[in-house]
Amino acid sequence: AQSVSQHNHHVILSEAASLELGCNYSYGGTVNLFWYVQYPGQHLQLLLKYFSGDPLVKGIKGFEAEFIKSKFSFNLRKPSVQWSDTAEYFCAVPGNTGKLIFGQGTTLQVKP
Amino acid sequence: GAGVSQSPSNKVTEKGKDVELRCDPISGHTALYWYRQSLGQGLEFLIYFQGNSAPDKSGLPSDRFSAERTGGSVSTLTIQRTQQEDSAVYLCASSLTSGETYEQYFGPGTRLTVT
Repeated sequence: AQSVSQHNHHVILSEAASLELGCNYSYGGTVNLFWYVQYPGQHLQLLLKYFSGDPLVKGIKGFEAEFIKSKFSFNLRKPSVQWSDTAEYFCAVPGNTGKLIFGQGTTLQVKP
Repeated sequence: GAGVSQSPSNKVTEKGKDVELRCDPISGHTALYWYRQSLGQGLEFLIYFQGNSAPDKSGLPSDRFSAERTGGSVSTLTIQRTQQEDSAVYLCASSLTSGETYEQYFGPGTRLTVT
């Protein structure tokens, strides 16, 4: 069965610092991967997705993620975070019906 | 256009009471998913609808939980004889159709507190 693991549960950064949030998946077949973000008081929204092709995926608000098959990883990165990036970030893999299997989530706090 | 809406936004109920949570998906979306977000368990899948059918109910935690969808649109999640462990945010999402590559659009959630 598919599963997703996020290593960092709570990350605190200062503005302009670089960000990398870890995500590892467990699945041997075709891999589709998502990162979702939940800003304070807002609903979950899609940040970026990987289905196939270029393993470096660009998302909204300057985020990107790299799919590394050999490492079963799909880490989220941003070169320079802003205070407005404070949010909870979820890595997810879809099951065969499309239902999402989420990682535990990472809370990012950016200090101004 | 309008996104996914859920009502009520907050619900406080006494242990043992029944509650109904409603989800209005994006018009034209045939797939609808319910999830639960709680501190201890993170984000968990509950049930999925394709049209009015629920091919996957594997995430429902007990037989106190049920859901239906009518007219291929609105869905209601019902929790009978609520328990304190049912306290969570219940999220609904819809997508154009079911499948691994279709983006799901989430509603704002219903925060359920069982006292």
